[in-house]
Amino acid sequence: EAGVAQSPRYKIIEKRQSVAFWCNPISGHATLYWYQQILGQGPKLLIQFQNNGVVDDSQLPKDRFSAERLKGVDSTLKIQPAKLEDSAVYLCASSLTTSGGETQYFGPGTRLLVL
Amino acid sequence: QQPVQSPQAVILREGEDAVINCSSSKALYSVHWYRQKHGEAPVFLMILLKGGEQKGHEKISASFNEKKQQSSLYLTASQLSYSGTYFCGTGRTGSARQLTFGSGTQLTVLP
Repeated sequence: EAGVAQSPRYKIIEKRQSVAFWCNPISGHATLYWYQQILGQGPKLLIQFQNNGVVDDSQLPKDRFSAERLKGVDSTLKIQPAKLEDSAVYLCASSLTTSGGETQYFGPGTRLLVL
Repeated sequence: QQPVQSPQAVILREGEDAVINCSSSKALYSVHWYRQKHGEAPVFLMILLKGGEQKGHEKISASFNEKKQQSSLYLTASQLSYSGTYFCGTGRTGSARQLTFGSGTQLTVLP
């Protein structure tokens, strides 16, 4: 079974530029999550989708971050404009449902460096 | 509310045991444990649910004290491959929304 796919794996941009990350979840997984992991910290949930609807985006900085999952499968996370503090690893995860007992499977992440 | 993990770091010799703790100030429905190696994605280890249900690896055990909102991960007879950062993620409701992760425990196993 293929895992969660993410691209690109690494990205270096200058502040005020824009960047987009792509995620393809495990086939059949209805729930998709985007996390931000700053060096030395645990993952922080940015947004959660159930199929193509947003379940929770309370921690997404909506003035600069946006995400979509138009067809309920793959998803894109965008930052525009980027700030220095956005330097982090952006992890995508998926699970079968939103049940609290479901395992979340993580992708390899995109490591973003903002200069 | 971010769960608190302890210790922050631990160094072991191969074959030794370790316990990693995770505590929350809020009532919990679930505790999820993950291990992350440097530069890699977090890998699922175990889920513990309110009511006693557990799902996870055979060689890893954990406990969940619902009254104290605490969970402990038990690593016995440590192997070199156990090295990494261990995160607990806590869920406060029956949904996976707002799964909040602790800041991690860095485990190093030496030969």
